[in-house]
Amino acid sequence: KAGVTQTPRYLIKTRGQQVTLSCSPISGHRSVSWYQQTPGQGLQFLFEYFSETQRNKGNFPGRFSGRQFSNSRSEMNVSTLELGDSALYLCASSLSGSGDTDTQYFGPGTRLTVL
Amino acid sequence: GEDVEQSLFLSVREGDSSVINCTYTDSSSTYLYWYKQEPGAGLQLLTYIFSNMDMKQDQRLTVLLNKKDKHLSLRIADTQTGDSAIYFCADPLGGYNKLIFGAGTRLAVHP
Repeated sequence: KAGVTQTPRYLIKTRGQQVTLSCSPISGHRSVSWYQQTPGQGLQFLFEYFSETQRNKGNFPGRFSGRQFSNSRSEMNVSTLELGDSALYLCASSLSGSGDTDTQYFGPGTRLTVL
Repeated sequence: GEDVEQSLFLSVREGDSSVINCTYTDSSSTYLYWYKQEPGAGLQLLTYIFSNMDMKQDQRLTVLLNKKDKHLSLRIADTQTGDSAIYFCADPLGGYNKLIFGAGTRLAVHP
């Protein structure tokens, strides 16, 4: 069974631009979560989607948004990019995301660099 | 509050055992997780432990859980150079797949 895939793997953008990242979960998984990883802040939760609905959200500004499609694929969007948005963005999928008993499997990440 | 803490760096000799420690603030989670991250890669699930267990062994990996002290540890036996990576403990106390991660422990294995 294929793992979590993320596209693109690398992105370079300039300040003020917007970017869309894509995540395809493991087949059969319906929950997708997004995390931001930076050297200063570590791994931080962005949001989680299940059945096209956002169920949980981290403490990020409204410039960060996401959505999930009926096939469970998910996208996240960052508008008006800032230098501090440079990070590794990780996507994780799980079967149902039910409480704390559902194991998350991570993709390889998208490395975003904002110049 | 939500907090998971780890020491940042561990250096061991090849063939020795490595012990990576983690403390957490919330004890209501059903599972606690260990993930591994190699340079330039995503997170690989290493193992997890059910909260009603004290110990779990999986080949070279041993996880110990002390719920009273809110302390979790990962022991890697016969550590190899391929084990060099960053190890994260994670607590799903945020609900709905919101994992709270420690800062990660960088394990360096030298000959």
